[in-house]
Amino acid sequence: EVVMTQSPATLSVSPGERATLSCGASQSVSRNLAWYQQKPGQTPRLLIYATSSRATGTPDRFSGSGSGRDFTLTISSLQSEDVAVYYCLQYENWRTWAFGQGTRVEIK
Amino acid sequence: QGQLVQSGGEVKRPGASVKISCTTSGYTFISFGIVWVRQAPGQGLEWMGWISAYSGDTKYAQKVQDRVTLSKDTSTSTVYMELRSLTSNDTAIYYCAREWSFALDIWGQGTVVTVSS
Repeated sequence: EVVMTQSPATLSVSPGERATLSCGASQSVSRNLAWYQQKPGQTPRLLIYATSSRATGTPDRFSGSGSGRDFTLTISSLQSEDVAVYYCLQYENWRTWAFGQGTRVEIK
Repeated sequence: QGQLVQSGGEVKRPGASVKISCTTSGYTFISFGIVWVRQAPGQGLEWMGWISAYSGDTKYAQKVQDRVTLSKDTSTSTVYMELRSLTSNDTAIYYCAREWSFALDIWGQGTVVTVSS
């Protein structure tokens, strides 16, 4: 069973600055890695799928990259509306998934 | 585009069971699997299980596999999640979501389940 570990737990970034969120796997995994944004009181929203493909409506300041055991979500220029908790989700194998524990992004 | 609408909140006693529905619309029901995810208060997201809307095949997370059953009703485009032997640790928001390209693209609004004596 794959364990996904996100870091840091909390990230404080100034408006307009870059935010880099990490998601690490306990073993080498496929590129079926997705990123979600969850704002307080809301349902999770798909931002990125297949490591680097933006979902419909995802602003281009969000980008994903990675392979093997290390994956990254980058927000190129943080906006106030980006304050949220971000989760990675890995598709492990035959119809099983694993979430990371989340990274909270806040404005410095 | 598609929509998933879940049944309303539930309050249950420890040891009881809960069954939540997830009614889909706006897409071909049998073409996509449905995944269930839960979120305990103040905690992260936890994958619980998957059901094929086409065949009814299921896959469950080890943590809940002895207590959870996913089922479907193709005639109403609805998926159900039943969780048995509830404890306070099962207090959470339960979400259904559509599987798409190995990710979850459309989510239900969530169902709050509270387990309390």
